Formats: sequence, C-alpha cells, structure tokens
Amino acid sequence: GENVEQHPSTLSVQEGDSAVIKCTYSDSASNYFPWYKQELGKRPQLIIDIRSNVGEKKDQRIAVTLNKTAKHFSLHITETQPEDSAVYFCATQEGSQGNLIFGKGTKLSVKP
Amino acid sequence: NAGVTQTPKFQVLKTGQSMTLQCAQDMNHNSMYWYRQDPGMGLRLIYYSASEGTTDKGEVPNGYNVSRLNKREFSLRLESAAPSQTSVYFCASSVMGPDTQYFGPGTRLTVL
Repeated sequence: GENVEQHPSTLSVQEGDSAVIKCTYSDSASNYFPWYKQELGKRPQLIIDIRSNVGEKKDQRIAVTLNKTAKHFSLHITETQPEDSAVYFCATQEGSQGNLIFGKGTKLSVKP
Repeated sequence: NAGVTQTPKFQVLKTGQSMTLQCAQDMNHNSMYWYRQDPGMGLRLIYYSASEGTTDKGEVPNGYNVSRLNKREFSLRLESAAPSQTSVYFCASSVMGPDTQYFGPGTRLTVL
C-alpha cells in the first residue's frame, strides 16, 4: 500500500525565517496532496492542497510544490510567525481514488 | 452551521468496558471517517464510510466497529476496550472521497 514519509519530525526556526517540510510517497497513481495544520489540543485543519495537474500552488505565505517524477512534495512557509507554531501533516491518497494516508507529522516551533 | 461534532470530549474506561463514540456532520457530506491519533504516529484510519449505507475497514480496524446511522451520523464502537486503544479519536467528513476533510474536535479516550 501507499507509504508517506515526512521530514523533519521537528523544526525550529526564528521568526521571519522560512520553513520547509518535505514528504515522499510511493504510489505513482496518487494525485491529491493536502497539508493539514494542527495546533496544540485542536483538530487538524486543511491549509493548502495540490493536485497532480499543477506543480506549485501558493496562498499568501504558504506554498506547496509537487514533483511527481521524484514522488515528493513540500510545504514552504515564508516570513514565519509565532502563530505558525503547530504540527503539520502531509497526506496523499492511496491509488487514484483511495483514502488519505497521512505522514507522521512535523512539529514546527517559531521562536520570537 | 456546526460542521463536524463529536461526543464525548473525554472518556475514561476500564479494560473490558464498552462505549460508543458519536459523530455528526451538518455539511451534507457523503463520506465520513474515523481516525486515531497517537504520539509520533500521525493519523491512522480506523474505518470509513464512502457513502450512506456503506462502511469499510481502514488501516487499524481491529477492536472497533462502526455504524453509518444516516447521512449525518457515523458512530464508532469499542466492544471490549483495551489499554492499547488509549488515544485521541477524530471523526472527519468530506464531500466525496479524497477531497478536503473536515475534522471534529476529537475525543480523548483513556483505557485503564
């Protein structure tokens, strides 16, 4: 089945720096790649997603890039702020229509 | 519009006791999911219901059963709780299949 590897597991940056989280996947049929943010004690919430017909998508300070040939996708956060501190999960679907498989998460800490 | 709601928020059980976690959504979504979240393990799919009247096993179904009561409600039952089922349980829903998933607030379950 699908396998999603997420790195790093923890990331600490200074406020204003950029943060990058990377995920690799195994199923070449996957075509949907969402990213979720989970603040401490809260529910996961979608922050951005990308489908395989595009290579990059931006929404203000966050962007996601996709390399289908290499089977990896990345989350980029620019000008980080303390409120960006959270656990971020990547996910991809199993096959072309299957359920989401989540990475194990990256705990991002933004130091003021 | 409450989105996805879950009850209870917290529960403590003794080994061997049973309980049902309730989930409801008011977004007219077709697909509903139950996940468990353990430290360092990400979100793992227990059971899902692609549409009203159907349920299927996910990655970690052992020890659980589900019921899709109607389009709005999807319950998770632990027949004989075990300490290994101590976890945070999230219900989620999506319009259809691998699309944006909306999560409930979670249930923190401890089995002694």
